[in-house]
Amino acid sequence: DVKVTQSSRYLVKRTGEKVFLECVQDMDHENMFWYRQDPGLGLRLIYFSYDVKMKEKGDIPEGYSVSREKKERFSLILESASTNQTSMYLCASSLRSMNTEAFFGQGTRLTVV
Amino acid sequence: GENVEQHPSTLSVQEGDSAVIKCTYSDSASNYFPWYKQELGKRPQLIIDIRSNVGEKKDQRIAVTLNKTAKHFSLHITETQPEDSAVYFCAAFTSGTYKYIFGTGTRLKVLA
Repeated sequence: DVKVTQSSRYLVKRTGEKVFLECVQDMDHENMFWYRQDPGLGLRLIYFSYDVKMKEKGDIPEGYSVSREKKERFSLILESASTNQTSMYLCASSLRSMNTEAFFGQGTRLTVV
Repeated sequence: GENVEQHPSTLSVQEGDSAVIKCTYSDSASNYFPWYKQELGKRPQLIIDIRSNVGEKKDQRIAVTLNKTAKHFSLHITETQPEDSAVYFCAAFTSGTYKYIFGTGTRLKVLA
């Protein structure tokens, strides 16, 4: 059973703080993704990675960075959190070699105050 | 950039009726189209998918159709039940770019 685990279910941070969201998958997937989910806007791709140390910008990368030092772990970094980054963040992973589904983590609800 | 349009944003049906959700994608190189169901407070989970070499796929009460020429794909749920109430997302995946682009979601309410 595929497991994608995000380190926190809920986070409250202050404006200007550096925030780390961690995601770990246990299925040896090459691809990993970070999405942001907001009502009416669906799932918007922030960054993705198709291999260790590789990263690609998605549709809304501004204000975010990522790190993929190990295959199983993909971190999302908010360099200086702002209130407009209050959102639900979803991590996902998938195999690269086949067109198959992405498996999602349980999500992190981040509130920036 | 690539995008996926999804309609309607909300859909209410009576229990037992059918529900149809439609998506249009922009990248003609997209070759895999999954549909996800997200129940309240839970992660999105795959319910059905279709690849670009297939026009239709069915799994019990749910089916997906794909029109590559028009770049449309649709989810059909028959004999809806209250437990079908959720948010549904369509997505388009392009193997050359490794990206899943999602639609904006449809909130389906099945009224008992």
